[in-house]
Amino acid sequence: GQNIDQPTEMTATEGAIVQINCTYQTSGFNGLFWYQQHAGEAPTFLSYNVLDGLEEKGRFSSFLSRSKGYSYLLLKELQMKDSASYLCAVRDSDYKLSFGAGTTVTVRA
Amino acid sequence: ETGVTQTPRHLVMGMTNKKSLKCEQHLGHNAMYWYKQSAKKPLELMFVYNFKEQTENNSVPSRFSPECPNSSHLFLHLHTLQPEDSALYLCASSQERGGSETQYFGPGTRLLVL
Repeated sequence: GQNIDQPTEMTATEGAIVQINCTYQTSGFNGLFWYQQHAGEAPTFLSYNVLDGLEEKGRFSSFLSRSKGYSYLLLKELQMKDSASYLCAVRDSDYKLSFGAGTTVTVRA
Repeated sequence: ETGVTQTPRHLVMGMTNKKSLKCEQHLGHNAMYWYKQSAKKPLELMFVYNFKEQTENNSVPSRFSPECPNSSHLFLHLHTLQPEDSALYLCASSQERGGSETQYFGPGTRLLVL
């Protein structure tokens, strides 16, 4: 099976920066996704990485190192609305998407 | 609004009941998915349909029965469920299975089995 690890919880202050790490071991690799899920709502797509390097989208950036089986999601200038669960998901060589358990980020005023 | 809707949003059922969950996508996608999300656990893929054909069944118990009448609609028929089946059931869709497409999720059905 696939193995995807990310921290369970993180807390940060409004305006600060938080980095959520994700490590994975999968049978083949066809891309890594980050999703945001607010309590009681659908997961929504944030980012997609398939090549090594950094992808920047406004306040959110995602980094991938395929050789290390490692990714991070960087949230800058944190806002209260960023309090949510962040899901790391990896697609394997069969194009099956496997998810981590999610990291709950709490933003404090 | 993600373009994927699910009904009902909440469902409470006894272990002898039969109920169905419905998913509809308005994105013109050809692949649809059922996931189970339990508290503090990763999303678990249950079933995949690509162009109305079931392409994946991840060892899901037969008390869960999917149906995909067309590319826009997906059902999950439930019967004789167990309390441990209580979870959030999420539907997703993508352009098609494989490729670089992103999956888009519905809001989920929160199921409680008594």
